[in-house]
Amino acid sequence: DAGITQSPRHKVTETGTPVTLRCHQTENHRYMYWYRQDPGHGLRLIHYSYGVKDTDKGEVSDGYSVSRSKTEDFLLTLESATSSQTSVYFCAISEGANTEAFFGQGTRLTVV
Amino acid sequence: KNQVEQSPQSLIILEGKNCTLQCNYTVSPFSNLRWYKQDTGRGPVSLTIMTFSENTKSNGRYTATLDADTKQSSLHITASQLSDSASYICVVSALGAGKSTFGDGTTLTVKP
Repeated sequence: DAGITQSPRHKVTETGTPVTLRCHQTENHRYMYWYRQDPGHGLRLIHYSYGVKDTDKGEVSDGYSVSRSKTEDFLLTLESATSSQTSVYFCAISEGANTEAFFGQGTRLTVV
Repeated sequence: KNQVEQSPQSLIILEGKNCTLQCNYTVSPFSNLRWYKQDTGRGPVSLTIMTFSENTKSNGRYTATLDADTKQSSLHITASQLSDSASYICVVSALGAGKSTFGDGTTLTVKP
């Protein structure tokens, strides 16, 4: 999958707990993205990064924060998980702003 | 508001038949349009990417067309195989934008 790894692949957590998902790339791509995908919805952008320490919000950013302290890692944090954040989360990378994106395998998060 | 609409929402065809998926967009100013294939339980994989000057692009049995004047694209699948069963996602990017607009996808089922 183009040198992109998401961890964990599956997680079950309780409401109110913090959760961090990790995206790691070995392609040295500048752009990294976090999406969520829910039944009946397409992929929705949560946050993205256009360089180390440079991030911006997507369309569904409430309740999520991100950090990118080095090129290869992009972390997504749910400060206090809610049941509405139960979803499949995908990380993606791309060389440029709107060039071909490569997606990770996804993380299935269940908040109970 | 930038929007991407895909049709049909779902489609069932018999193995060996051809099919065409549609994508209409209102994204402006246009940069490029991409088609992705997403198998169940996996991340999307890029099929084609087209810029303003390209009106046809092929990838094996997949052929994408673009009419930038009418803001329409289609993905034609020839001689379908069982492995073509997947969701097909149209993504359109605007010039100067750090993020793209995703369609909700068309779910294709190929039956023997």
